[in-house]
Amino acid sequence: DQQVKQNSPSLSVQEGRISILNCDYTNSMFDYFLWYKKYPAEGPTFLISISSIKDKNEDGRFTVFLNKSAKHLSLHIVPSQPGDSAVYFCAAEYYNQGGKLIFGQGTELSVKP
Amino acid sequence: DAMVIQNPRYQVTQFGKPVTLSCSQTLNHNVMYWYQQKSSQAPKLLFHYYDKDFNNEADTPDNFQSRRPNTSFCFLDIRSPGLGDAAMYLCATSREFGTGIEKLFFGSGTQLSVL
Repeated sequence: DQQVKQNSPSLSVQEGRISILNCDYTNSMFDYFLWYKKYPAEGPTFLISISSIKDKNEDGRFTVFLNKSAKHLSLHIVPSQPGDSAVYFCAAEYYNQGGKLIFGQGTELSVKP
Repeated sequence: DAMVIQNPRYQVTQFGKPVTLSCSQTLNHNVMYWYQQKSSQAPKLLFHYYDKDFNNEADTPDNFQSRRPNTSFCFLDIRSPGLGDAAMYLCATSREFGTGIEKLFFGSGTQLSVL
């Protein structure tokens, strides 16, 4: 059973608008959630993370929101830029297994000029 | 630049013919990982090394083995590839394991095809 799910395979957004990428999880024991970004022909790169004791973490144009009661997190990108076009993976991990990422399937974001 | 390098980018093998994928790192990280990503699926951890200590995931098939002869190199051996082993194989590194949040550094992957 998949513990981390990204139900939208793709998302298309106009440049300058907000991109919202969603992720759901089933295990309330996860300690951290992370977002990785992947360009074609490159490996995933770390983007932003959030601890399970927080509900928001912000880094420049990127903000991650965590709703523990709903077991849902989202990544907001404001404003979206064409260079943000990539596949975004949501991942979860336990504190004592930090490094073992449990990934979602990814959402391909396309930001159109 | 410090990095994680995987060769080759594309690998084609025949059904049942052993194949080895390689990964090297210049980050001097303690931990090296192998993830498998099948088409349109989530990447899944196969195993990791902490220094020389090998850690296999419970559901990793016996067909998959790994070697880490030194800090810089790690190999993924598939003893008898089946059609279901066709996937992108991602190598990653991190400084530590199991001490809270760890930022992983990934290579660009090897796309394995099995004919």
